[in-house]
Amino acid sequence: AQSVTQPDIHITVSEGASLELRCNYSYGATPYLFWYVQSPGQGLQLLLKYFSGDTLVQGIKGFEAEFKRSQSSFNLRKPSVHWSDAAEYFCAVGARGGSASKIIFGSGTRLSIRP
Amino acid sequence: DAGVTQSPTHLIKTRGQHVTLRCSPISGHKSVSWYQQVLGQGPQFIFQYYEKEERGRGNFPDRFSARQFPNYSSELNVNALLLGDSALYLCASRSGADLYNEQFFGPGTRLTVL
Repeated sequence: AQSVTQPDIHITVSEGASLELRCNYSYGATPYLFWYVQSPGQGLQLLLKYFSGDTLVQGIKGFEAEFKRSQSSFNLRKPSVHWSDAAEYFCAVGARGGSASKIIFGSGTRLSIRP
Repeated sequence: DAGVTQSPTHLIKTRGQHVTLRCSPISGHKSVSWYQQVLGQGPQFIFQYYEKEERGRGNFPDRFSARQFPNYSSELNVNALLLGDSALYLCASRSGADLYNEQFFGPGTRLTVL
């Protein structure tokens, strides 16, 4: 069965510091991979996605992620965080179950920014 | 352009009651999916509908049901509410049925069961 693991429940980084959020997935075929961000009172917003091709994916708000098949990982990175990046981040894998196209989410990593 | 809209925003029910949540997809989107997000966890897939037909359901009991209307809006119904049904219910729409089409999420309906 498909699954996603985000090993870090909560991370705190200083404003201006670099960020890496970890994600490991389990999926038998070539995965569709996503990173979403959820801010308080707002819906889930897609940061970036990987379907195929270049394993380094650029997203919105200065985020990027790298797909590493050998490690079953899709870690999210940002070179310099801003206070507005404080939010919950979800890694997800796209899966086909029968005829449904569904997204399976990890449990999330809460990012706090230290002034 | 309006995004995915959901109503109501918040809802309080008691155990054993029934609830109906509503979702309007982005104009032109024919696929609607429902997710349950319990506090402190990631969203869990409940249903996907495409062109008014159920395409799949997640690991939820039969108390959960849904339907999609000719205008592609959707309702999620939950019968015999349990305390554990308290969660944020998210609706998402995409233009086509496949994962290749980007999925857009609504703000959610916060359901509290007392």
